[in-house]
Order: sequence, then C-alpha cells, then structure tokens
Amino acid sequence: GNSVTQMEGPVTLSEEAFLTINCTYTATGYPSLFWYVQYPGEGLQLLLKATKADDKGSNKGFEATYRKETTSFHLEKGSVQVSDSAVYFCALSPRETSGSRLTFGEGTQLTVNP
Amino acid sequence: ETGVTQTPRHLVMGMTNKKSLKCEQHLGHNAMYWYKQSAKKPLELMFVYNFKEQTENNSVPSRFSPECPNSSHLFLHLHTLQPEDSALYLCASSQDPPTYRGETQYFGPGTRLLVL
Repeated sequence: GNSVTQMEGPVTLSEEAFLTINCTYTATGYPSLFWYVQYPGEGLQLLLKATKADDKGSNKGFEATYRKETTSFHLEKGSVQVSDSAVYFCALSPRETSGSRLTFGEGTQLTVNP
Repeated sequence: ETGVTQTPRHLVMGMTNKKSLKCEQHLGHNAMYWYKQSAKKPLELMFVYNFKEQTENNSVPSRFSPECPNSSHLFLHLHTLQPEDSALYLCASSQDPPTYRGETQYFGPGTRLLVL
C-alpha cells in the first residue's frame, strides 16, 4: 500500500536558519506529492506540490523536489521566519486518483524562535 | 482560504448531548471528506462522499453519523460521544475524478471538539 514517512519532530530553529524536513514515500507508479501546512488553530493549507519526477514545487520561499530515484520529497527553506512556525504534512495521491485520496505523513512540528 | 467553511469552530458537549458539525464548500467540487485529527496521532480519514453518496466509511463508530444533502454541504451528527472523541474535526473537498494531475483536496479550518 501507499505510505509517507516524515522526519520526527519537533524541530526548533532560530530565525533565518536553514530548514529541511525529510519526507520519503512508498507508492506504486508515479504519485503526485504535496506539502500541506497547518498554522495554530487552523486547518491544513496546500503549500506546494509536484506531479512528476524532477518537478520542483515552490511557494512562500519553500521548495521541494520530486526525487523518483530516492522516493523523496524533502521540504526546504533557506531562511525561516517566526511566522513559519506550524505543523508540516507531506502527502501523496496515487497516479490514478491524483488528489481524491491522500495519504499523509504524521506531520512535523516546526517552531522558529526570534 | 475561505473556499471551505466549518461551523462551529469550537464545541464543548457532554456525553449525552446531540450536536452537529457543518461544512460548506464554495469551490464547485463534488467530493467531500471528514477527517479526525487527535493530538499526537496521524490524520484519520472518517468518511468520503461523492455526489452525495457515501463512498467510504473507515470503521467509524455509529455515534458519528454523516449526512451529505448536496455536493456543497456536509454534516457530522454527534450523539453519546466519549471523551476520547475530543479532537479537531476537519472537512475537505475535491474534484473527483480530478480534472488535472495534481488537483488536490482543500480543507476547512476545523471544529475543535471537547467531550466532557
């Protein structure tokens, strides 16, 4: 079956530090990959996505590259801000449904201190 | 993102109460979902509706009763809940099947439920 594994949190960084949150997946075929973000007291928001190998998704300074050879979709940001403090979820959807059924990782709590 | 709204945002109920959660989507989607998010647990998909028909029920206890009168509205009726049902309940919607690759689900802000 499909699965997503994220690095365990919580992650605590100082402002302007470099961020990496690791995500690896198991799926048949060529799934679409997503990062969602959940700010305190809110629902999940789509942060970025990639739909095929070597695609790079980007938004709000965050980036992630779809690596088929390592089945990974690591989230990176060069300089984090306090406002980036949130829970980040990696997710995939199978090729045939592409969004209708999402498999989520367990989420990674990020705290950025001033 | 105001495409998916949920009410109420917070709810406190006793174990003998009956209450309902409401979700409305303004995105023109045909599929709607209920998720449960508990502290320190992965997101749990509870129910899926497509064109008002329930297509998935992931072994959810009968004290949770969903209703989908049309493609824009989704309810979750609650009765005789247990304290362990306290959680954030999230609603989402999507187009199913998707119209393009990478089309995904959009989430509401959630209802924070506390069962006493």
